[in-house]
Amino acid sequence: SQQGEEDPQALSIQEGENATMNCSYKTSINNLQWYRQNSGRGLVHLILIRSNEREKHSGRLRVTLDTSKKSSSLLITASRAADTASYFCAYNNNDMRFGAGTRLTVKP
Amino acid sequence: NAGVTQTPKFQVLKTGQSMTLQCAQDMNHEYMSWYRQDPGMGLRLIHYSVGAGITDQGEVPNGYNVSRSTTEDFPLRLLSAAPSQTSVYFCASSYALHSSGNTIYFGEGSWLTVV
Repeated sequence: SQQGEEDPQALSIQEGENATMNCSYKTSINNLQWYRQNSGRGLVHLILIRSNEREKHSGRLRVTLDTSKKSSSLLITASRAADTASYFCAYNNNDMRFGAGTRLTVKP
Repeated sequence: NAGVTQTPKFQVLKTGQSMTLQCAQDMNHEYMSWYRQDPGMGLRLIHYSVGAGITDQGEVPNGYNVSRSTTEDFPLRLLSAAPSQTSVYFCASSYALHSSGNTIYFGEGSWLTVV
């Protein structure tokens, strides 16, 4: 399988804390994207980082990419209970592959 | 804005039955794909299409057929359902090839149980 791996599989934090999720992949990529999935719903795009970028910000989200290590991280700052969801990295080779996801629980 | 619409939302099949999951998008997207999501496995690509009349296999295509007769529709057919096909199925689309970095839009999912 060419699927990526997210780490950790599950993360539980208190509201206001930061949450960091990591993604590793196995192939060369053009870009890497992060998606969010609320329970029982489809995935929603959060942020994209291209292979020639090292860091990108969007609101409370910060994404880094290290192509030499084939890894990316997603940081959510000042987390809220509404951030509770599963987060997936997705990367392309000739098609789009997804990691297994990190289940984030933010306790109020 | 309908976006990506999947039907049915829920379906129970008996082993050996066939059925079609419907997917339609109204965004004039060239690229459409089907994924299945199983616990702890993330999303696995079943089939994809880069445009009308063109389809290709993904990571787990066995037991599934697709066709793309129009830009809008991309149905997924289960030929002879097996319990291993019990899963949540997501249809997705984007303006062009996913690899170009375009955002992927997902349907709300179809929960399929094969007994």
